Amino acid sequence: NAGVMQNPRHLVRRRGQEARLRCSPMKGHSHVYWYRQLPEEGLKFMVYLQKENIIDESGMPKERFSAEFPKEGPSILRIQQVVRGDSAAYFCASSHRGGLRGNEQFFGPGTRLTVL
Amino acid sequence: AQKVTQAQTEISVVEKEDVTLDCVYETRDTTYYLFWYKQPPSGELVFLIRRNSFDEQNEISGRYSWNFQKSTSSFNFTITASQVVDSAVYFCALPRNTDKLIFGTGTRLQVFP
Repeated sequence: NAGVMQNPRHLVRRRGQEARLRCSPMKGHSHVYWYRQLPEEGLKFMVYLQKENIIDESGMPKERFSAEFPKEGPSILRIQQVVRGDSAAYFCASSHRGGLRGNEQFFGPGTRLTVL
Repeated sequence: AQKVTQAQTEISVVEKEDVTLDCVYETRDTTYYLFWYKQPPSGELVFLIRRNSFDEQNEISGRYSWNFQKSTSSFNFTITASQVVDSAVYFCALPRNTDKLIFGTGTRLQVFP
């Protein structure tokens, strides 16, 4: 009974490189949320996706960041041309249902991105 | 505006003391949910409780209890007889539309032996 899986757990990139973070939701979950936790800060919502659709990307930076959740395979958060300020922990959460129903979100262990 | 405030940045206690973590929220919704999560030093997020606005009864789970007061927009969390393993950062969260969670800034609890 696997929970939400994220890989890699730790990722080191040099400035200007691309970072790809993967999230496999819990079995049967088709709703995925991405959050970012900057050092010593709380978590901030980035994007909410359902299979093949971006539902809410109001928390995504306008440039360099993109997300997808294809029909098959994990959800991907992609950061192009990383900068030092992108260093953070990125958490993925999945839910059985979406919408304002207070559904519990199950969180993955996070990916810690370090930009040198 | 939808907002969660955790005014206590850090709390230190000695083992076996009781400790209360405060959470104050703002919402325009008449029905809503509130969550508490724990983030231990290992970094993962652990779900603790979900409470809906219909139910103002206090909830108890072992050494953990929650006090929900709609009149003061607060959802406080108490740990009774704290233990070293309770050392973590605790987050209160409020779902917005599409269920995205608005987190407070967290309270770091340190329990010393």
